[in-house]
Amino acid sequence: GDSVTQMEGPVTLSEEAFLTINCTYTATGYPSLFWYVQYPGEGLQLLLKATKADDKGSNKGFEATYRKETTSFHLEKGSVQVSDSAVYFCALSEGETSGSRLTFGEGTQLTVNP
Amino acid sequence: DAGVIQSPRHEVTEMGQEVTLRCKPISGHDYLFWYRQTMMRGLELLIYFNNNVPIDDSGMPEDRFSAKMPNASFSTLKIQPSEPRDSAVYFCASSQELALADTQYFGPGTRLTVL
Repeated sequence: GDSVTQMEGPVTLSEEAFLTINCTYTATGYPSLFWYVQYPGEGLQLLLKATKADDKGSNKGFEATYRKETTSFHLEKGSVQVSDSAVYFCALSEGETSGSRLTFGEGTQLTVNP
Repeated sequence: DAGVIQSPRHEVTEMGQEVTLRCKPISGHDYLFWYRQTMMRGLELLIYFNNNVPIDDSGMPEDRFSAKMPNASFSTLKIQPSEPRDSAVYFCASSQELALADTQYFGPGTRLTVL
């Protein structure tokens, strides 16, 4: 079945550091890929998405590129802020009928210190 | 616009008691999802509805769990009887379509503790 694997956390960075959170996936077809973010005490929010190979999703300074050859969708940000502290989830959806049924990775806790 | 609304935000109950979690999806969204989040198992899809009809309940852990959607603006997830292993955060989400890249909008969750 479909699966998503994220790098183990937690990740702790200083403000303005470069961020990479790795995400790889296993799917039988051509999934859409997502990054969701969960701030403390809140539900998940869509951060960015990409629907086909080589697409780049971007939002709030975060970027991720859909790499079919490496089945990856790594999240990056050039300069993190304290307000980026949250849990980040990589996810995929696949199939005409499954549609927005999402398969999530384990989540990666990010803490940014001033 | 109001987002997905869930109640209660926190619930503490004793083993064996009935628990009912409530969700109001975003108006106009035809799909509603119930998820469970635990440290051990991460985020799991329990069930989802389309136009108030349950489509896939294969993620519901056992018969103690049931979900209903009596109308387009309200859904419940019931656990009867509850057990300590049901302790988790339960999220409700809604989306407009079941398209491949459609966004799901999550509520703030209900943190359930079963003693």
